[in-house]
Amino acid sequence: GAVVSQHPSRVICKSGTSVKIECRSLDFQATTMFWYRQFPKQSLMLMATSNEGSKATYEQGVEKDKFLINHASLTLSTLTVTSAHPEDSSFYICSATLDRYNEQFFGPGTRLTVL
Amino acid sequence: AQSVTQPDIHITVSEGASLELRCNYSYGATPYLFWYVQSPGQGLQLLLKYFSGDTLVQGIKGFEAEFKRSQSSFNLRKPSVHWSDAAEYFCAVGVVGNEKLTFGTGTRLTIIP
Repeated sequence: GAVVSQHPSRVICKSGTSVKIECRSLDFQATTMFWYRQFPKQSLMLMATSNEGSKATYEQGVEKDKFLINHASLTLSTLTVTSAHPEDSSFYICSATLDRYNEQFFGPGTRLTVL
Repeated sequence: AQSVTQPDIHITVSEGASLELRCNYSYGATPYLFWYVQSPGQGLQLLLKYFSGDTLVQGIKGFEAEFKRSQSSFNLRKPSVHWSDAAEYFCAVGVVGNEKLTFGTGTRLTIIP
C-alpha cells in the first residue's frame, strides 16, 4: 500500500516551454502532497506543500509563478514549470502523506532536462 | 527549527561487513525520525521510522535504528551488507504539528566485493 506515482519519469523540453508533472497517490487519499527538487548528489530541497483545494505554500526563494502547483483532488497534484530554462533542469520528486505522523511516501521522481 | 546532520558524506563497506550510518538531530522535543534510501534516479523508499515506544526500531531489508535521546542520535545499522544496499541514505526528522520533514544531506554507501 501507500504507492505514489509520477508522470512522466523523464521529460526533455525546449527553453521557454512549460512542462507539467503529475503526482498521484494510487491507493490512498493524501491529506498533503509535497514537491521537492534534488540537484545531483545533493539532498532534497522542499519547494512547496500543497493541500487539496487550497493554494500551495511555497518555501522561501521558490518562485510561485514559475512553479505552479495545483492540488485538484486528494489523489492528484500537479507541478507546472512555466517558461522553463536550462537552470530548471533537475530531478523533481513528489511525496504524499496521509496521517499526522509525518510519514511521507515518495514518487519515483521526474528528470527534467531543458535544452 | 529542527535540523538533521549526517556527518558522513560517503562510506565504503565490504560486502558482508557491518554498517552504521550516523544521524544527529537538533530539536527541543522528541521528534519523529525516519531513514529513507534512494537508488540512483529513483525516489525515496522508507526503511524505518520512530514515533514513540521502543527505541530500537526494525525496518525493511534487515536494517535497524536506535533512537538515543541523550545523544540526539538515530543511527542506522545493518549487521551484514549486501551489494544491493549500495545507495544514498537520508535521515529525516518531523515534528508534531508540522507536516514537513527536514532531511539530512545524505550518506552515499558504496559496497566493495
